[in-house]
Amino acid sequence: DIQMTQSPSSLSASIGDRVAITCRASQSIGNYLNWYQRKPGKAPELLIYYGSHLQTGVPPRFSGSGSGTDFTLTISRLQAEDFAIYYCQQSHSYPFTFGPGTQVHIK
Amino acid sequence: QVTLKESGPALVKPTQTLTLTCTFSGFSFSTSGMRINWIRQVPGKALEWLARIDWDDDKSYSKSLKTRLTISKDTSKNQVVLTMTNMDPVDTATYFCARETTVTLAFDSWGQGILVTVSS
Repeated sequence: DIQMTQSPSSLSASIGDRVAITCRASQSIGNYLNWYQRKPGKAPELLIYYGSHLQTGVPPRFSGSGSGTDFTLTISRLQAEDFAIYYCQQSHSYPFTFGPGTQVHIK
Repeated sequence: QVTLKESGPALVKPTQTLTLTCTFSGFSFSTSGMRINWIRQVPGKALEWLARIDWDDDKSYSKSLKTRLTISKDTSKNQVVLTMTNMDPVDTATYFCARETTVTLAFDSWGQGILVTVSS
């Protein structure tokens, strides 16, 4: 199975900050990397698919980059509603696997 | 609007079989490229993919849970059912169903999730 890691595991940031979360795959996955946001008590929501494609309805302050084994989710200007847990997930091969998550806290 | 909703028991006893139903609307599961997946999250752990069924009835299972899982669909009822046998307290988790398409290979719509507790 492809193992996914994320860093940092948590971070504190202020409204308006630029935030970057990294995800690493244990082997090359091309661009088959998706990002999700999860808020307490709610289901995950797809933000980015295939590495850098913004899901319909997701604000453009979210962006994804990377390929191969190293990927980054960037939030250009953090908003109050962005405080959540972010997960990466590879869709290169089954079983699809998720990273452990990065929790974004309010500073 | 695409919606999915999980239903099933909130509590099961060890060794029992869990049956979860995902009822969906807003899309046709007969459409080429549609997939429904089951994913779970044990408290404090990462999301874990369990199983998938495609519009053409192709199926795929988690290798570690393959012997315990069965996924099926009833397209006429807009439902996908997951059964998991021999439940154990370590299977206590929130179970989600999620739609995937072969275009994005991503889970673009999720149900709210159902917390299943395994306890005697």
